[in-house]
Amino acid sequence: GNSVTQMEGPVTLSEEAFLTINCTYTATGYPSLFWYVQYPGEGLQLLLKATKADDKGSNKGFEATYRKETTSFHLEKGSVQVSDSAVYFCALTGNTGKLIFGQGTTLQVKP
Amino acid sequence: DAGVIQSPRHEVTEMGQEVTLRCKPISGHNSLFWYRQTMMRGLELLIYFNNNVPIDDSGMPEDRFSAKMPNASFSTLKIQPSEPRDSAVYFCASSPGLGYGYTFGSGTRLTVV
Repeated sequence: GNSVTQMEGPVTLSEEAFLTINCTYTATGYPSLFWYVQYPGEGLQLLLKATKADDKGSNKGFEATYRKETTSFHLEKGSVQVSDSAVYFCALTGNTGKLIFGQGTTLQVKP
Repeated sequence: DAGVIQSPRHEVTEMGQEVTLRCKPISGHNSLFWYRQTMMRGLELLIYFNNNVPIDDSGMPEDRFSAKMPNASFSTLKIQPSEPRDSAVYFCASSPGLGYGYTFGSGTRLTVV
């Protein structure tokens, strides 16, 4: 079945450091890929998405590229801020429309 | 748009009591999803509806859980009787269709004592 695997956290970085959170997936067909962010005490918010191979999703300085050959969708940001501290979830939907999440990666950014 | 609206935000109840969680999806979204989030198990899809019809309830943990969607603007998740292990944050989400992603509500934090 479809599944998503994320790097384990927590990831702790200093402000202005470069961020990478790895995400790989297993899916039949051609899934759509997503990154969601959850701030403390809040629900999940869609951060970015890509619906086909080689698409790059981007938002708020975050980027991720849909790599079909490596079945990956790694999240990157060139310079993180304290306000980026949150839990980040990689997810996919297949042809059923069900959103399958990874286990989440906690990011802590220190001033 | 007010987004996906869930109520209540917090619920504390005694073991054995019935609990009803409510969700109003975004107008025009034809898919609705109920998730449960815990530290141990992460995000679990409980059930989802398409055009008010339950499509997949394989994630519902047991018969104590039931969900309904009587119309396009309202859904409920009921737990009867509730148990302490049901304590979690329950999220509702809606989507306009495949590939669009979901919009989540703020969640209901349920504590069963």
